[in-house]
Amino acid sequence: QQQVKQSPQSLIVQKGGISIINCAYENTAFDYFPWYQQFPGKGPALLIAIRPDVSEKKEGRFTISFNKSAKQFSLHIMDSQPGDSATYFCAASTGPETSGSRLTFGEGTQLTVNP
Amino acid sequence: DTGVSQDPRHKITKRGQNVTFRCDPISEHNRLYWYRQTLGQGPEFLTYFQNEAQLEKSRLLSDRFSAERPKGSFSTLEIQRTEQGDSAMYLCASSFTSSRDIFGQGTRLTVV
Repeated sequence: QQQVKQSPQSLIVQKGGISIINCAYENTAFDYFPWYQQFPGKGPALLIAIRPDVSEKKEGRFTISFNKSAKQFSLHIMDSQPGDSATYFCAASTGPETSGSRLTFGEGTQLTVNP
Repeated sequence: DTGVSQDPRHKITKRGQNVTFRCDPISEHNRLYWYRQTLGQGPEFLTYFQNEAQLEKSRLLSDRFSAERPKGSFSTLEIQRTEQGDSAMYLCASSFTSSRDIFGQGTRLTVV
């Protein structure tokens, strides 16, 4: 059962443009939604995360938008740079305060930022 | 080094052999997770430890897989009688209650 669906599978953006990646979830018990960045041969690294009590969170060039009623959330990367080229994963869990808050990941989006 | 450490980084083994991977979490982290990631996919949860107790196991964790975390410190993941379908990146993550999960670099397993 795929509980977190991610799109697009791949994305090509010009330097300075905006990259947008979308995710949808099914399990209404999820209450913690992180985004991870992964470079080839490396483990995932946390970029930014949001809880459903806010609709938007911004950290530097990265913004999460959250729509609880639609069960959707998205990552926006402003002023995209070639160094942002990586695979991005959305994820969801029941929150770190809950015992055993394992992450359910989306399928990933391979982002390429052209110079 | 204050990160999550995994060893080995790469392992090539013949089908039918047993392999063991090690994860050293961040020292104060009480939670430890194992995930498996196949090419082009997101990581999939395998098992979870809180201190030394294994509290949850995924259906993905067949009888050939076993994980331990003695004394609540490092953890090992053993795969017995490896199959080609076991080829994947095995990721370890650790966290402290209410903190974010920190992933290691992973162990890339290739079964030939």
